[in-house]
Order: sequence, then structure tokens, then C-alpha cells
Amino acid sequence: EAQVTQNPRYLITVTGKKLTVTCSQNMNHEYMSWYRQDPGLGLRQIYYSMNVEVTDKGDVPEGYKVSRKEKRNFPLILESPSPNQTSLYFCASSQGGGSTEAFFGQGTRLTVV
Amino acid sequence: GENVEQHPSTLSVQEGDSAVIKCTYSDSASNYFPWYKQELGKGPQLIIDIRSNVGEKKDQRIAVTLNKTAKHFSLHITETQPEDSAVYFCAVGPDKIIFGKGTRLHILP
Repeated sequence: EAQVTQNPRYLITVTGKKLTVTCSQNMNHEYMSWYRQDPGLGLRQIYYSMNVEVTDKGDVPEGYKVSRKEKRNFPLILESPSPNQTSLYFCASSQGGGSTEAFFGQGTRLTVV
Repeated sequence: GENVEQHPSTLSVQEGDSAVIKCTYSDSASNYFPWYKQELGKGPQLIIDIRSNVGEKKDQRIAVTLNKTAKHFSLHITETQPEDSAVYFCAVGPDKIIFGKGTRLHILP
């Protein structure tokens, strides 16, 4: 089954404690991206990757890092989480960037206290 | 950069009636216009998309219309059912997808 898998689904952490949210897709897509979803603000892109070892900033990249060492995986790293990073996070993949269907993971609800 | 405005932010319609959600965009070079549905506890899922070479596309009870001159496109849902209750996002491509802020649709019994 074609899917995008994120882990964990829920995470509560403390300010400053490094964390990683994993994302994996099994569709051999070149394009992957991370979004955060906040009430009234919709989906805002954090980072995206057009292929292995190619990453670029989205609209709200501050406080986040990503890596793309393999085509299927695109982890999101918060080196020093802060309460304003409390949000619902989605990973997505697509074959053709912004010109084809994006497949989303189930989401990761992160709370930073 | 591209700016996408979506209205309304909340919409309540009686079951069986039609629902219309509208989006405007700013970049005349945009040529891909998908709509996503997000059910509670899930990620967004594509329900219909349209490219700039057509003005309308229909799939059963849902349709999308595009006016490139006016830079706006709309989602139409006819004969609404309880399972249509969700958050709907419009989006614009092709370089990278820019999403609207979403519309929460309530179908009233």
C-alpha cells in the first residue's frame, strides 16, 4: 500500500530537549516536505527536498533542521525545541513537487512544555 | 511570492444542500490547483485537482471551476452528506504548493 509513515504520532517533550520526527515513503517519490498546521494559519511549509542531498527552506524554517540521505526518508529535527513549536506536523511526498498530488502522513502532534 | 486566500473559514450547510468554497491567488504563472480534504485525526487527502488548460472538472458530487483571468477557483459539493464534514484546503502550484488557510465545513442534519 502506498503510504507516508510518520513517527511518533504524539510527543510531549520539554524545552531544549532535542527530538527527531521520522518520515518514510514507499512510493519512490523525489519530492518530500514538512508542514506545520496551526489553528487559523493552515498548512505552512517548513522545509522541502527535491531529491537526495537536496534540501531547501520553506516559509517557516527557523528552529528546524532536515536531512535527506536516502530517497525514502526525510526526518525533521528540532535541536532545541521551544513552546512556540507546539503544533501538528505533517510530512508529505509527491512525484512532481508542486505540480502533482501530495501524499500526507497521519501527522505528529508535538507539545513542548 | 504566491498568496492564496480562501473563504469562508467556516461553512455550515444543511444536508442535501450545496457547498461552495472559493480561493484566489496572486501569481498568474500558477497552473495547478488541487483541493484537499482533511478528516479529523488524519492528514489531508487530494479530492480533485485542475490544471490551467481547463475551466471545469467534475467527479461525481464534487466539481472545481477555474477562472484564470480573475485568478480564482472554487470547489462545489452538491447533495452534501454527513461524511462531507471536514476541513478543506485549496492549494496552488507548480513550483511548490502553497495552501490556503482552510475551510471547516459542517453538514447539519
